[in-house]
Amino acid sequence: DQQVKQNSPSLSVQEGRISILNCDYTNSMFDYFLWYKKYPAEGPTFLISISSIKDKNEDGRFTVFLNKSAKHLSLHIVPSQPGDSAVYFCAASGAGTYKYIFGTGTRLKVLA
Amino acid sequence: NAGVTQTPKFRVLKTGQSMTLLCAQDMNHEYMYWYRQDPGMGLRLIHYSVGEGTTAKGEVPDGYNVSRLKKQNFLLGLESAAPSQTSVYFCASSPGTYGIQYFGAGTRLSVL
Repeated sequence: DQQVKQNSPSLSVQEGRISILNCDYTNSMFDYFLWYKKYPAEGPTFLISISSIKDKNEDGRFTVFLNKSAKHLSLHIVPSQPGDSAVYFCAASGAGTYKYIFGTGTRLKVLA
Repeated sequence: NAGVTQTPKFRVLKTGQSMTLLCAQDMNHEYMYWYRQDPGMGLRLIHYSVGEGTTAKGEVPDGYNVSRLKKQNFLLGLESAAPSQTSVYFCASSPGTYGIQYFGAGTRLSVL
């Protein structure tokens, strides 16, 4: 049973436009969320996080929004750049656990 | 500053052979993790450790064993490799609960 879902396997966006990547979760005990970016032949690298006490966190071109009632988070990239082309994973963790549950990933392609 | 280093980077095994994957981190992190990544499946946790001398099972532990004899090293063993263990393996470390996980570059394993 997939507790963290990324329902869009891929997304193509024109350079300069907004990229919106979505993530849904089913476990209401999750209270901390991360986004990772992964390039081919490399390990995932941390991008941005959000705690359940917030509904938004911003870092430069990257903003993560959390809607707890809908159990939904989204990553916005504005403006999108060709170097943002990668696979993006969301991950969730619950109170008192040491583990993250990862989604299946969304492959973003930013077209020049 | 190496971060998380995985060896080897590539390996081809025959069914029934054994091998050990090594993960080393130089960040003095308490927590370490082994994941496997398969197409369409995201990152799935195999085993993890919350400190030297401790190990615990993740989502997909069958067919694998681990050891954490030293804080900086986390070993993943395959006693009798099977084709279903063909995957990309990632090691990660984290300073603690809710900490960001830092990943190695991965080991690509093929079992024929």
